[in-house]
Parts: sequence; C-alpha cells; structure tokens
Amino acid sequence: DGGITQSPKYLFRKEGQNVTLSCEQNLNHDAMYWYRQDPGQGLRLIYYSQIVNDFQKGDIAEGYSVSREKKESFPLTVTSAQKNPTAFYLCASSGRGGADTQYFGPGTRLTVL
Amino acid sequence: SQKIEQNSEALNIQEGKTATLTCNYTNYSPAYLQWYRQDPGRGPVFLLLIRENEKEKRKERLKVTFDTTLKQSLFHITASQPADSATYLCALNTGGFKTIFGAGTRLFVKA
Repeated sequence: DGGITQSPKYLFRKEGQNVTLSCEQNLNHDAMYWYRQDPGQGLRLIYYSQIVNDFQKGDIAEGYSVSREKKESFPLTVTSAQKNPTAFYLCASSGRGGADTQYFGPGTRLTVL
Repeated sequence: SQKIEQNSEALNIQEGKTATLTCNYTNYSPAYLQWYRQDPGRGPVFLLLIRENEKEKRKERLKVTFDTTLKQSLFHITASQPADSATYLCALNTGGFKTIFGAGTRLFVKA
C-alpha cells in the first residue's frame, strides 16, 4: 500500500519538553511538507523539503526544527521555544512542487499539558 | 496583503441539491488552484486541480470554475449526498513549492 504515515496520532507534552513527530512516505516523492492546523484557520506551512538533505523554512518555522536525511522520512521536532504548540500537525508529500497534488498523512494532534 | 477567503459559515443543504462553495483571493496571481476534502480529525484529500488558463474542470459529480478576473473559484457538488458532508479547502499555488490553503467551508448534507 502506497501512502504517507504519521505517528503518533495523539501526543501529549509537558511544557519545556521537546517532542518529535514522525512522517514517512513510500510514494517516492521528492517534496515533503509540514503544516500546522488550528481551528478556523487554514493550514500554515512550517517547513518544506524539496529534496534529501535540503529544507526551507515556511511561514511559521520559529520553535520547530526538521531533518531530511532520507527521501522517505521528514521528522518534525517541536521545541520548548514554540510558545503555543497545541495544534493538529499534518505532513504531506508531492512529486514536485507547484501543480503536483499533495498527499497528506492522517495527522498528529499535539496537546501541551 | 495576500488573502484567501472561504465562507466560514457552514453550508447546510438537502440531499439531492447542488452545493456551491466559494473561494475568493486577493493579491495573488495563482498558477493553479486546488480543492481538497477534509473529514474531522483526518488529513485533507485532493479532489480537483484547475489551471489559470482553464475556466472549468469536472470530475464525476464535482465541478470547479476559475475566474482570474473576479479572483474567484466556485466548487459545485451536484446531487449531493450525506456522505459529501465534510470541510472543503481551497488551495492556491503561484508556481513554486508553497501552496496557500484557505480555512475551509464546512458542508452538511441532510438526508
């Protein structure tokens, strides 16, 4: 089955802790993305990667970090510097940028206790 | 500033009717416009893409129009069914890697 997976589905974090969200795809896509979704707002781009070992900041990168060591994997770390991390996090991939449709994972809901 | 607007109020329609959702944008010159469906607690799923030089695109019961003069896209679902109930997101891309998403419009189809 081809697709994009995220884990865990639910994550609870204490204030001051770093947490890492996993994203894996077996679609052989070059580009991968991380979005944050808050109620009543559109998806906001955190980071994106066009190719292995390269990534770019999106619109709200502060307090987040990523790596792209393998084509299939694009983990997101939410650091303690992110002041309001409670949100629904979505990972996506596409063959190229632009007109290529994005395939989304099921999402991770992060809650800060 | 750049903005994408979708009706924040939910759309309630009766089964069998046509649902029409609106996406308006300002200060963009999108090369592509896409529509996605999102169910609660799940990731969006791609439905249709329309290019700037296309006026209309159809796929089964779905139809999208794109008016670059009005800076507006309309998304139609004909013969709507309760299973069509979901949030529908409009997304713009100007040709690069960044796609901008609207907040979505919630559709409820009553049986």
